[in-house]
Parts: sequence; structure tokens; C-alpha cells
Amino acid sequence: GESVGLHLPTLSVQEGDNSIINCAYSNSASDYFIWYKQESGKGPQFIIDIRSNMDKRQGQRVTVLLNKTVKHLSLQIAATQPGDSAVYFCAERSGYALNFGKGTSLLVTP
Amino acid sequence: NAGVTQTPKFQVLKTGQSMTLQCAQDMNHNSMYWYRQDPGMGLRLIYYSASEGTTDKGEVPNGYNVSRLNKREFSLRLESAAPSQTSVYFCASSEAFVVNTEAFFGQGTRLTVV
Repeated sequence: GESVGLHLPTLSVQEGDNSIINCAYSNSASDYFIWYKQESGKGPQFIIDIRSNMDKRQGQRVTVLLNKTVKHLSLQIAATQPGDSAVYFCAERSGYALNFGKGTSLLVTP
Repeated sequence: NAGVTQTPKFQVLKTGQSMTLQCAQDMNHNSMYWYRQDPGMGLRLIYYSASEGTTDKGEVPNGYNVSRLNKREFSLRLESAAPSQTSVYFCASSEAFVVNTEAFFGQGTRLTVV
């Protein structure tokens, strides 16, 4: 079946550095992608989304890049802060619901 | 704003017991979902309701039933709990089934089956 996967299960960055979290997807019919942040003991929270007719979208300190040619999605976090420590999930919609990747744990060190 | 509210937050069941997880949203969303989250597995869809009056199976529906009681509420029932159903359960809602919009999640129900 189709799958959404992440390249790295954990990522450690220093406070103030930029973070890049990657995601590969295999369903070429996917037309909508979302990044979620999940803090310990909480439900996933929306960060940013992108539609397949775009290749870049920016939010506050976050940028999502979509490369449909290689079916790759990335989340860039600028000037990473301790509060950014969490698990990050990419999700794609190609049918009835969101299909989630397994998550990348981001640890921000002082 | 309450958003998506799940009850209970924690539950311990014995094997074979039954229970219902409750979910309500106050955003007037049409679509609602139940996911389970297990370590290293991400979130997997159990059931969804594209609109009031409809429900459909997701990726892992075995051992569960759902009811879309009204537009606001979507419950998940375990008829005979098994240890394999130990997980964190998340309810989510979104504006519409076919529109590309984000899903909003509840805080989760941590279920342990012993």
C-alpha cells in the first residue's frame, strides 16, 4: 500500500540553529500535505500545510517545501527554540483521511 | 474555544471488558475521525465519518465500532477489549471530507488493557 515515511527518527539541534525535517511519500495521487507537531501528552497540532500545486509555503519561522518529482516534503524551522522540541509528523491526504508518517523527534539543546 | 474534547483521558480495562470513548467537537465540522497511536507506528486511522449519518472503516477497524450520534459527537466502542488495543486514541475533526483542510485533534485517551 501507499506509505508516508520519515528519513530520520530523531534530530538534535542547538538552540538558534535551523532545523530541517524530511518526509518521503509514495502516493503520487496525494494532493495535500500537512505538518503536525505533537508535544508529550498532547494531541497533534497543525503547523503548516501545502497543496500539490505549490512547491513552497512559509509561515511564522516555518517553511514547507514540496518536491513532487521525487515525492519529498520537508519542514524547515528557523532559529529553533526549546519550545520546538516535540515529535513532528507529516501527513498526506489522497482519499478519505490523513495518512501519517511515523514521526521525527526533534530535540533542541541549549 | 474547546475544539475537540475527548473523554475519558485515561482508562484501564480488563481483557474482555467493554467501553465507549466519547468525542465531541464544537467547530461545526462535517467530518470526524478516530486514530490510534502506538510507539513507532505513527497515527493509524480506525474509523471515520465523512458526514453526519455515515461511517466507514479505516486502516485498523477490527475490534472497534463507531457511532456518529449527531454532527458534534463521534464515539468509539470496544466491545471486548484485548491487550493489543492498549494505545493512545485520538479523535479528530475537519471541516469537510473532500476539502483540503487540516484536521483538529483532541488531547487523546490513554487506554491500557490488562
